[in-house]
Order: sequence, then structure tokens, then C-alpha cells
Amino acid sequence: SAVISQKPSRDICQRGTSLTIQCQVDSQVTMMFWYRQQPGQSLTLIATANQGSEATYESGFVIDKFPISRPNLTFSTLTVSNMSPEDSSIYLCSVEPLRLGVYEQYFGPGTRLTVT
Amino acid sequence: SQQGEEDPQALSIQEGENATMNCSYKTSINNLQWYRQNSGRGLVHLILIRSNEREKHSGRLRVTLDTSKKSSSLLITASRAADTASYFCATDAAIDAGGTSYGKLTFGQGTILTVHP
Repeated sequence: SAVISQKPSRDICQRGTSLTIQCQVDSQVTMMFWYRQQPGQSLTLIATANQGSEATYESGFVIDKFPISRPNLTFSTLTVSNMSPEDSSIYLCSVEPLRLGVYEQYFGPGTRLTVT
Repeated sequence: SQQGEEDPQALSIQEGENATMNCSYKTSINNLQWYRQNSGRGLVHLILIRSNEREKHSGRLRVTLDTSKKSSSLLITASRAADTASYFCATDAAIDAGGTSYGKLTFGQGTILTVHP
């Protein structure tokens, strides 16, 4: 497995501001992903964070709202821009380790965001 | 559209009993994974079953997969109060020619399991 940390673990932000969430992995991984979990809901994939290129966004998510960086194989950031109360969610990063044929995906502890 | 549907949405049992959760999905998959989430925290990976596997065990967990019915079940035997959590299935639908998963997981709505001491 992989050890994944996220910062911050939680935050309360004002409407209209932005928050950058960091995801750090203890080993090199090919695939990194960002998910959102709205209150009482399941997880929805926001985007795939590609190392050295732009992130690939899922339907309903756009780069202007959720810019993502992936400068190397162990680190990624997700920014939630121009926040509104509807962005209040848990944001989780996940990784799929660099092992051909092994597809287990591991999740960070999440960042609980509240927008007031 | 939502790939996975889970039932029941909530399950309440006594310690020592078995808990069974079911997951259905809509498209062909590469693998299916089960996760546990305690009180809105991060997800803990429980078990992965590949599309060519029918059953898998890990400790008190037993997972089955029926690709003809596009369904999976998670059985927790001899449940404990510490098993109280939300359980999610997640499907990975794609794999490239080099054998690497695309890794895009689609989650079911989850089952909230409560185990009473």
C-alpha cells in the first residue's frame, strides 16, 4: 500500500475565496486522482492528475474551478476556486501505485471543507 | 450515470452476526473494490476482486463477484462494534493495452452498517 497525507485536514473558508489542498505520497505513483464527497453522499471523481501535463477533468468539473498541479510522481495539489457553500465537501486524493497488474487504489484521509 | 447501486442503504445488526452488503453495476469492469469509511474520514481499502475472479477472502471478509449479473457482495462474518462504518463498492471499468488500469473509480451510494455491542 501507499501512505498518503493531505493538508489541511479541514478548513472553514469564506465565500469567494480559494483553498489549495495538498496531497503527498510516500512513494512514486503513476496515477493520482481527486474525488469529492458531498455531505451524506458517495464519492465523485473530479479529475485525474497527470504528471507533467494538464489534468483530465470529468464531466461537470472544469479547470477554472478546480485547477490541479502534479509537479512530480509523489505530490499533487487541488485548488477550489471562488468558493460557494455548495463546495462544502470532503475532498480526497487517491493513488494507484506504480505496479503493473496491481490496481488497488488508496485514499488519503481527506480534507473537510466548509464554506460559509 | 451512477455506476454502482448498493443495498441495503442501512443495516443494523448485533455483534457476532454476519453482515451482507450488495453492489450492482451497469457496465463491464476490470475490477471491483470495497472500501470502508468511518465517520466521514478517509477510505480504507478492504479488498479488490478482478473481473475473472468469482470469490475472494481476507480475514473475516468474503467478496463474491457475478459478472453475468453485474453484481458483487461483501460478507463480514462475526461482526464487531468496530465494524460500524459506511461501506462502498467502486468499479474500475477500463484498462489499456499495456495492462494499466485507468483507475477511474465509480462508487456506489454505500451501505451504512451499525453493529450493536
